[in-house]
Amino acid sequence: GDSVTQMEGPVTLSEEAFLTINCTYTATGYPSLFWYVQYPGEGLQLLLKATKADDKGSNKGFEATYRKETTSFHLEKGSVQVSDSAVYFCALSPGNQFYFGTGTSLTVIP
Amino acid sequence: DVKVTQSSRYLVKRTGEKVFLECVQDMDHENMFWYRQDPGLGLRLIYFSYDVKMKEKGDIPEGYSVSREKKERFSLILESASTNQTSMYLCASSPQDLPRTDTQYFGPGTRLTVL
Repeated sequence: GDSVTQMEGPVTLSEEAFLTINCTYTATGYPSLFWYVQYPGEGLQLLLKATKADDKGSNKGFEATYRKETTSFHLEKGSVQVSDSAVYFCALSPGNQFYFGTGTSLTVIP
Repeated sequence: DVKVTQSSRYLVKRTGEKVFLECVQDMDHENMFWYRQDPGLGLRLIYFSYDVKMKEKGDIPEGYSVSREKKERFSLILESASTNQTSMYLCASSPQDLPRTDTQYFGPGTRLTVL
C-alpha cells in the first residue's frame, strides 16, 4: 500500500546550518507530495507541496523536489533559524486520503 | 483563511466515560478527517467523511465512532474511554474539487487524557 518513510529524529542544528530531512515514499499511482510543519502546541500547517514529478515546492526558504526516479521528496533549507524549531511531517496523497510519515523533530539552537 | 476549530484544547476524562470531540470548519469543505497523533507513530487516520451523513473507517477505527449531521461539523465519539486512548486528536478538512492535489487544513488539536 501507499506509505511514507522519513528520517528519524530528533535533529539538532545550530542557527544558520544547512537542513536536510529525508523522505521516501511508496505509491502505486502518481500521488501529490507534501511537507507539513507542527509548531509546539499547534496543529499541522502546510509548508509546501508538489503535485507531479520534477515539481519543486518552496516556502519560507524551504524546498523539496518531487523525484519519481528515487521516490523521494527531501526537505532542505540553506540556513535554519531558531524559529524553524518544530516537527516536520512528510505526506502523500494519491486521492482524498493522506498518508503521513512519523515526523522529524527539529531543534535549532542559537 | 480556512479555519478549523476544535471544541477543547485539553480534556481529562475517566475510564468508561463517553467522550465527544467536536470539530467545525468554516470553508464549506466536503472532506473531514479525524487523526490521532502519538510519539513515534505520527498521524493515524481514525475516520473520515466525504459528505454529510457519510463516514468511512480509517486505519484505527476500533473504539471510536463519528457523526456528521451538518457539512461543517464532524464529531468524534469515544463510546467508553480507555487509557490507551490518551492521545492528541487532530481534525482536518479539505475541499473535494481537485482531490489529488487537496491540501488538508488542520485544527489546533485536542489533548485527551483518560485516567
